[in-house]
Amino acid sequence: DGGITQSPKYLFRKEGQNVTLSCEQNLNHDAMYWYRQDPGQGLRLIYYSQIVNDFQKGDIAEGYSVSREKKESFPLTVTSAQKNPTAFYLCASSEGRRGEETQYFGPGTRLLVL
Amino acid sequence: KQEVTQIPAALSVPEGENLVLNCSFTDSAIYNLQWFRQDPGKGLTSLLLIQSSQREQTSGRLNASLDKSSGRSTLYIAASQPGDSATYLCAVEGGANNLFFGTGTRLTVIP
Repeated sequence: DGGITQSPKYLFRKEGQNVTLSCEQNLNHDAMYWYRQDPGQGLRLIYYSQIVNDFQKGDIAEGYSVSREKKESFPLTVTSAQKNPTAFYLCASSEGRRGEETQYFGPGTRLLVL
Repeated sequence: KQEVTQIPAALSVPEGENLVLNCSFTDSAIYNLQWFRQDPGKGLTSLLLIQSSQREQTSGRLNASLDKSSGRSTLYIAASQPGDSATYLCAVEGGANNLFFGTGTRLTVIP
């Protein structure tokens, strides 16, 4: 069954703590993305990766970090520097052919601050 | 910077009605425009993708149009059903595979 999985579904962060959100895809896609969704706002791009071992900052990268050591995996770390981390985080992937195909989204992780 | 606007923010219609959702964008230099559906607390599902050289795309009861010069797109849903109730998001692809999203239209179809 091909698709994108994200875990956990809910994540709680304590003050000053780093947390890591998992994103895995078995679609053999080259490109992967992380978005943040806040109520009343559109999705905003945090980081994206077009190929293994390479990634670029999106519009709101401050306070976040990523790695892309494997084609299937693109974990996102929310660091203590991110002062307002409460949001719904969505991971996506695509084949990376610009303009020609859509992005496929995972089910999301909701991050809450204790 | 690209800005995407969706009107209305929310819409309620009785079952069976045809309806139109609107999307506008400020920069016409786009690679494509996409419409997604999002159910509460879930990820996004792609509905239609219109490449910049195309004018419209159709899938079942859905039809999306694109007027790049005026920066507008519409999503037409025919014979609406309660199962169509969801938030519909419009997104345009700019450079570097970036998608710029609107804030969505929350649709409720009343049985």
